[in-house]
This record gives sequence, structure tokens and C-alpha cells, in this order.
Amino acid sequence: DTGVSQDPRHKITKRGQNVTFRCDPISEHNRLYWYRQTLGQGPEFLTYFQNEAQLEKSRLLSDRFSAERPKGSFSTLEIQRTEQGDSAMYLCASSLIIGSGSNEQFFGPGTRLTVL
Amino acid sequence: GQNIDQPTEMTATEGAIVQINCTYQTSGFNGLFWYQQHAGEAPTFLSYNVLDGLEEKGRFSSFLSRSKGYSYLLLKELQMKDSASYLCAVRSNRDDKIIFGKGTRLHILP
Repeated sequence: DTGVSQDPRHKITKRGQNVTFRCDPISEHNRLYWYRQTLGQGPEFLTYFQNEAQLEKSRLLSDRFSAERPKGSFSTLEIQRTEQGDSAMYLCASSLIIGSGSNEQFFGPGTRLTVL
Repeated sequence: GQNIDQPTEMTATEGAIVQINCTYQTSGFNGLFWYQQHAGEAPTFLSYNVLDGLEEKGRFSSFLSRSKGYSYLLLKELQMKDSASYLCAVRSNRDDKIIFGKGTRLHILP
């Protein structure tokens, strides 16, 4: 399967613990996005990368959240000192930006985080 | 900023036609997307409009009017498997970021 993959698919943690999620995009894609989605809502933008450069981070994202894409391939999203409000589905998407065109995003299956 | 509005829920009958509307306000427009999302699954790409008019792809069509900040997704010959959420999303030409609406949950009745 050459689609976007995410690991783990499910994570249960206790409040105050740190968690890290991984996303492997489609191999030739240069753009990688992280979203958070809660029940009944659309995906909420968190941050995105062009190759290894982080271009933007949502103002909604607290300092407890950090993301990296060290070699322009896979990416990690870390949440420190988790809170119950962090419980959500974390989605990763990738796209190939080649000028004009749809450059649509392809989503991974997501990581469902539950903070107890 | 950007704002996207779409109905929260809709119900339609198998075999019928349904139109899901989306209105948006954005400081810079560079395309509108429709995604389908089944419960517990990731969104999958359906359509893309950047110019005014209708884009048809099988049973699904998407329409855009940039002057009105309006789009719709038209689903024909509804099947039970079309029961899902449909997400309208707009891309900004300032930062290429895509912002999603809250989605419309479509229920198909037999």
C-alpha cells in the first residue's frame, strides 16, 4: 500500500503524559499536513510542512504541541502533558504541489487519541 | 479569515438525487474541494473546483460560483454506501492552506 500511513492507530494515555504520533506520507509528496478532528466537526488545521520546513502553525495550537519533519519524509507530532481536551482523531495528509491544479490532499487513517 | 457554512445533516432516499450546499467567505480563494468521510474513516477526495461552473464525475457533480461564494455537491442515483459526511473545504491563495467546514452528515433511507 503506497498511501499515507499513521502510527499508532489508537492511543490511550493518562492525563499529563506525553504522546508522539508518526505519519508517513506518499513518498513523492512534498507537502504534509496535520489536522485534528473531533466528533461532528470537520478536520481542524494544526500545521503543515513543505519538505522539511514548517510553514505555519495554527494559533489554536498551544506550546504543548510540536511537529517535525526532519528529512522531508515522515513527520512526528508530539503532545506534551496531555489534557482530556486533547482527545480527538489526529489526521495526517500529504499532497504534491506542482504549480496550479487541484494538488488534492490524501489523508491517512488517523490516530485516535483518548486521554483519561 | 475564512468561514465555511454547510448544513449539519440531510436525509435522502436511495435512488434519489441530493444537493449539498456550501457557502464560504475567504480573504483569498484558490480552489474549493469536496471530500467524503465515512464514520471512523479518513476523508477521501471527491472533487475540485477553481473556476466557475460544473464539474461532473460519474454520479457526483460539483458546482462553483466564486462571485457568490457558493458551491454545491450533487449526488445522483443515491446508494446506501453514500451515507457519510461530506466536507466542503476552501484553499487560500495567501498560504495554500485548506480550511474545512464542519461537514454535512447525509443519511440514505431505503
